[in-house]
Amino acid sequence: RKEVEQDPGPFNVPEGATVAFNCTYSNSASQSFFWYRQDCRKEPKLLMSVYSSGNEDGRFTAQLNRASQYISLLIRDSKLSDSATYLCVVNDGTGTASKLTFGTGTRLQVTL
Amino acid sequence: DADVTQTPRNRITKTGKRIMLECSQTKGHDRMYWYRQDPGLGLRLIYYSFDVKDINKGEISDGYSVSRQAQAKFSLSLESAIPNQTALYFCATSELAGVTGETQYFGPGTRLLVL
Repeated sequence: RKEVEQDPGPFNVPEGATVAFNCTYSNSASQSFFWYRQDCRKEPKLLMSVYSSGNEDGRFTAQLNRASQYISLLIRDSKLSDSATYLCVVNDGTGTASKLTFGTGTRLQVTL
Repeated sequence: DADVTQTPRNRITKTGKRIMLECSQTKGHDRMYWYRQDPGLGLRLIYYSFDVKDINKGEISDGYSVSRQAQAKFSLSLESAIPNQTALYFCATSELAGVTGETQYFGPGTRLLVL
């Protein structure tokens, strides 16, 4: 089983739609969680951290379910500019043991 | 100016050649990383360094070596390039953030083709 698993997509949605991605992780001791965004042929950039209580940033909402070991990303009112690959990232440690594991990404294509 | 820079941005080389990829950062971070990205495999960690005197192997270090010349510079070398090292290479930096985890900041990437 992969350490971090994501549906590769692509998810093709019309502008204005709501879309959700899930990501599962295998290490129950994982400490922190993130969503990164990667545009085609560009570097990954942090989209948002995922907190136990869930968090929202504008049209984006991230949730963490530790019991089921998955995190989710919800995008409301999708824009053309949201088209990208979304990487689920898990941090397996803290301090000097800190190590990020990246999922392979879920590709989103928002269309007119 | 970009906080994390990589040179070269694109490189074509032949099997058996030695090649060095360079990374520089102005973020003042102690931690630096080298990843490679392949289609369908995501980002995989090659080497990482938590300070100038600290070098650690990642999950796929075979065939690679690194040098941390200064806090701001971290170089990746392929001593004898082979075609399956064709990939997109990213350098990243971070600072220790305790239990909340750490954000990594990536360079623009180096696209390497080994013929």
